[in-house]
Amino acid sequence: SAVISQKPSRDICQRGTSLTIQCQVDSQVTMMFWYRQQPGQSLTLIATANQGSEATYESGFVIDKFPISRPNLTFSTLTVSNMSPEDSSIYLCSVARETHYGYTFGSGTRLTVV
Amino acid sequence: GENVEQHPSTLSVQEGDSAVIKCTYSDSASNYFPWYKQELGKRPQLIIDIRSNVGEKKDQRIAVTLNKTAKHFSLHITETQPEDSAVYFCAAVEGSYIPTFGRGTSLIVHP
Repeated sequence: SAVISQKPSRDICQRGTSLTIQCQVDSQVTMMFWYRQQPGQSLTLIATANQGSEATYESGFVIDKFPISRPNLTFSTLTVSNMSPEDSSIYLCSVARETHYGYTFGSGTRLTVV
Repeated sequence: GENVEQHPSTLSVQEGDSAVIKCTYSDSASNYFPWYKQELGKRPQLIIDIRSNVGEKKDQRIAVTLNKTAKHFSLHITETQPEDSAVYFCAAVEGSYIPTFGRGTSLIVHP
């Protein structure tokens, strides 16, 4: 399975600022996703990161708040913009090779907004 | 879209007992069903998966069964150990390759 490096692992940010989270994979992958996980909750899909085009966002998530880049098949970033305390959560990237599924998760970014 | 229901939300067992977690899905086009284990403070880890052309798959103490007609699948853990304590998530995947996750089951194994 793919090896994912996700950075930063945690951060404490001031409200109104932005944080960019990076996800680097050791091999090319077809699918890259960004999830949010509140403590004790399930995984909520924010968007699918598409290589070379705009991400596909799920209901309730918009590009202005969560801009995503995916310049190639091994790297993606998620930015949490104009943060508020409600954005405090764990953010995870996940990848899969289309023909093999086997979704793998990054180690997560624990974000606290104060 | 796909909807996945997972039960129970909490499961408490004695060490050595068996544990069963059940999930139902709504989209008959779903064809891949992974199970993830998430220990406290860690990332979800794939523990077993099953494809729609298979009814059962086993890996040591864990097994997954799939009933396509009834649209449900289950995770079975035998001879549970304290290190099995974690949150378990089921998921269903259809043609878009986007997984839909259940709400999770917190398994507690008492020594």
